[in-house]
Amino acid sequence: GAVVSQHPSRVICKSGTSVKIECRSLDFQATTMFWYRQFPKKSLMLMATSNEGSKATYEQGVEKDKFLINHASLTLSTLTVTSAHPEDSSFYICSARVTGDSYEQYFGPGTRLTVT
Amino acid sequence: GQSLEQPSEVTAVEGAIVQINCTYQTSGFYGLSWYQQHDGGAPTFLSYNALDGLEETGRFSSFLSRSDSYGYLLLQELQMKDSASYFCAVRVFSGSARQLTFGSGTQLTVLP
Repeated sequence: GAVVSQHPSRVICKSGTSVKIECRSLDFQATTMFWYRQFPKKSLMLMATSNEGSKATYEQGVEKDKFLINHASLTLSTLTVTSAHPEDSSFYICSARVTGDSYEQYFGPGTRLTVT
Repeated sequence: GQSLEQPSEVTAVEGAIVQINCTYQTSGFYGLSWYQQHDGGAPTFLSYNALDGLEETGRFSSFLSRSDSYGYLLLQELQMKDSASYFCAVRVFSGSARQLTFGSGTQLTVLP
């Protein structure tokens, strides 16, 4: 149980375009999902906390208008990188929390974004 | 804010025991978790300590001392497949959300 999927696993896009990454909880409902960014050999940096039916809470330094997060259902959250730049190239990982009282997060397999 | 420190790299041989330390500074601390991540893969949960002491799960054990703001992950009978990055993460309550803040990770290399 507690499987989280991400799509696509890899994406290459041109500068200036937008790309959408989907995060799905496959066998449970997730009221809260998290989006992380990870650079090579580095830690996972929390970008935003996404709550179903409400606006995402962004961490300091993360541009809300650049990284659009939508959590329209209890099993799906999307991250859209708008007007992508080469410096946005990174590994993006989502996670989902099983219940409201739990700290435990289950991670998706990640999406490798390359902006050319 | 929160900060965590762990060694960047550790190398050991198959069959050996290795300990990865983690010190933290944080407010609103609820516990310490450990995650394993292979290259290009998703972090997977290994263990969690909310109280002082040792938690054992098979070949992996984790320890926490809240008074020292310190914990460690102990890996026994190392296998080649244990080569991966290991992250400690503190569980905190930030604003209205329960969050994980990750350390920078320790790259474990297991040699034959």
